[in-house]
Amino acid sequence: EIVLTQSPDFQSVTPKEKVTITCRASQSIGSSLHWYQQKPDQSPKVLIKYASQSFSGVPSRFSGSGSGTDFTLTIDSLEAEDAATYFCHQTNSVPQSFGQGTKLEIK
Amino acid sequence: QVQLQQSGPGLVKPSQTLSLTCAISGDRVSSTSTAWNWIRQSPSRGLEWLGRTYYRSKWYNNYAESVNGRITINADTSKNQFSLHLNSVTPEDTAVYYCTRADGRWAFYEDWGQGTLVTVSS
Repeated sequence: EIVLTQSPDFQSVTPKEKVTITCRASQSIGSSLHWYQQKPDQSPKVLIKYASQSFSGVPSRFSGSGSGTDFTLTIDSLEAEDAATYFCHQTNSVPQSFGQGTKLEIK
Repeated sequence: QVQLQQSGPGLVKPSQTLSLTCAISGDRVSSTSTAWNWIRQSPSRGLEWLGRTYYRSKWYNNYAESVNGRITINADTSKNQFSLHLNSVTPEDTAVYYCTRADGRWAFYEDWGQGTLVTVSS
């Protein structure tokens, strides 16, 4: 089973700040890593697919990079509406797995 | 535009069976390019993949080891929906349950149901 470890667990940030969230896989997963945003009482929504591909309709300030075991989600110029929890998700093998989440608080 | 509509009880007694259904619009449950998943989320376990079903000339299922032996996921082509059945539940099965659609066995989850909070309590 592949374990995904995100860091940090929590971050308090100011608007317009650049944010970087990392996700490390316990073994190589190629580019089969996706990022989701979840706001309170909502279902997760995909932001980045296959490590670095933007999903349709997602603001361009969200970007992803990485391959193998180390991945990064970057939010350029954070906006107030980006307050949420962010998850990484691997679909390289079954059982699929998720990171524990990174909660972003806007100061 | 694919939509997933979940239904099922929000309260289940210990030792009984948790059953949820996910009704699909905008796609076919028997599509040969899609996989249908059940996920749950709780404060203690985070997001947890439970299993999936998909059709490739015949039906296939994969289940998480953590619930294997207690879980069944099946599809109903006449109603265009798929269901989760989890038996012998305990309070540890209390969670928000989601159905999801992936456009391929190894794809991301493009569509999610609205989520159903299921509480296991007597």
